[in-house]
Amino acid sequence: LAKTTQPISMDSYEGQEVNITCSHNNIATNDYITWYQQFPSQGPRFIIQGYKTKVTNEVASLFIPADRKSSTLSLPRVSLSDTAVYYCLSTGGGNKLTFGTGTQLKVEL
Amino acid sequence: EPEVTQTPSHQVTQMGQEVILRCVPISNHLYFYWYRQILGQKVEFLVSFYNNEISEKSEIFDDQFSVERPDGSNFTLKIRSTKLEDSAMYFCASGPNTQYFGPGTRLTVL
Repeated sequence: LAKTTQPISMDSYEGQEVNITCSHNNIATNDYITWYQQFPSQGPRFIIQGYKTKVTNEVASLFIPADRKSSTLSLPRVSLSDTAVYYCLSTGGGNKLTFGTGTQLKVEL
Repeated sequence: EPEVTQTPSHQVTQMGQEVILRCVPISNHLYFYWYRQILGQKVEFLVSFYNNEISEKSEIFDDQFSVERPDGSNFTLKIRSTKLEDSAMYFCASGPNTQYFGPGTRLTVL
């Protein structure tokens, strides 16, 4: 059973900012929040990981409030190539990953 | 940038045959994993491997499956007698805490 909840799908247009929110009410104290991207017939690709507050890298930002019960992945200025499934997972300590169905992001012109 | 590699990219086999899927994890990683994804379904955990032994396995990982790290760099998944329902993408992953996935092997059982 996935430990996180996220929307099944989202639509956006090129150039827009996309925010995908994930709920993880029962996250363990030692767990991090990790986001993966997956294209059809490819392996999940690590995007970003955080524990608390804000993390930013070259592709995305991750916002985690103080209570850590939710998080938001922010993709700035999406393009068609960002069309993919995005997974939010709580992860920690070498444990297995439990994938849900993810959020299917569709970006259009 | 280091990455996990997998071979072959596509394997076609007859039902009942043995297959070995190969993975080269990122070199300084100590945790290794196999996952599978049946077409149109979720990514499912199969097994984790640490310190030369299985640390956790799922219900899917029955006696037909085995894993091995034969030479300190490769990490293999063997399916002894394949069934039609074993057809799926198989992903290897490695990590310290963050897991990095390989591109996958598409296994087709006829």
